[in-house]
Amino acid sequence: GAVVSQHPSWVICKSGTSVKIECRSLDFQATTMFWYRQFPKQSLMLMATSNEGSKATYEQGVEKDKFLINHASLTLSTLTVTSAHPEDSSFYICSAQGTHTDTQYFGPGTRLTVL
Amino acid sequence: EDQVTQSPEALRLQEGESSSLNCSYTVSGLRGLFWYRQDPGKGPEFLFTLYSAGEEKEKERLKATLTKKESFLHITAPKPEDSATYLCAVQNSGGSNYKLTFGKGTLLTVNP
Repeated sequence: GAVVSQHPSWVICKSGTSVKIECRSLDFQATTMFWYRQFPKQSLMLMATSNEGSKATYEQGVEKDKFLINHASLTLSTLTVTSAHPEDSSFYICSAQGTHTDTQYFGPGTRLTVL
Repeated sequence: EDQVTQSPEALRLQEGESSSLNCSYTVSGLRGLFWYRQDPGKGPEFLFTLYSAGEEKEKERLKATLTKKESFLHITAPKPEDSATYLCAVQNSGGSNYKLTFGKGTLLTVNP
């Protein structure tokens, strides 16, 4: 149980384009989903927290207009990187948390490379 | 501000050589302390949650313990497949936000 998927697993795009990453909880309902980014050999940095049907809460320093988060259902959240630039290249990981639990289950991650 | 410090940064063991990883934390109120395992290029895999000092949890060759200031992840007779980065994270009991604050991790390499 507690399986989280992400799609795509990797993506390469040109500078200035937008990229959408999907995060799905496959066998449970996720009332809260989190988006992290991870640079090589560094730990996970929380970008934002989203609750189903509500606006996402962004961490300090994260541009909400650049990283658009939608949590439209209890099993799906999306992260759209708008007007991507090479400095946005990173490993993006989502996690999902169900009701009556405090444990976050992580997806496999999405490797974004912006050329 | 919540802080998590893990040591050592990297640890090399021979197969069968037991050891411990340390996670020191500072948090205004602890809701839970979490251990995850992360393999290269993958998302973290949940291992344990500890809630109060004195609590211990075990899974195969791993045992996690918790005090008021730190947690240890004990690895008994490790195997090469235990090689991974082990991440520690704390969850603050304040507010309704369940966000995790992660340490930088310990990279464990177990040689056959």
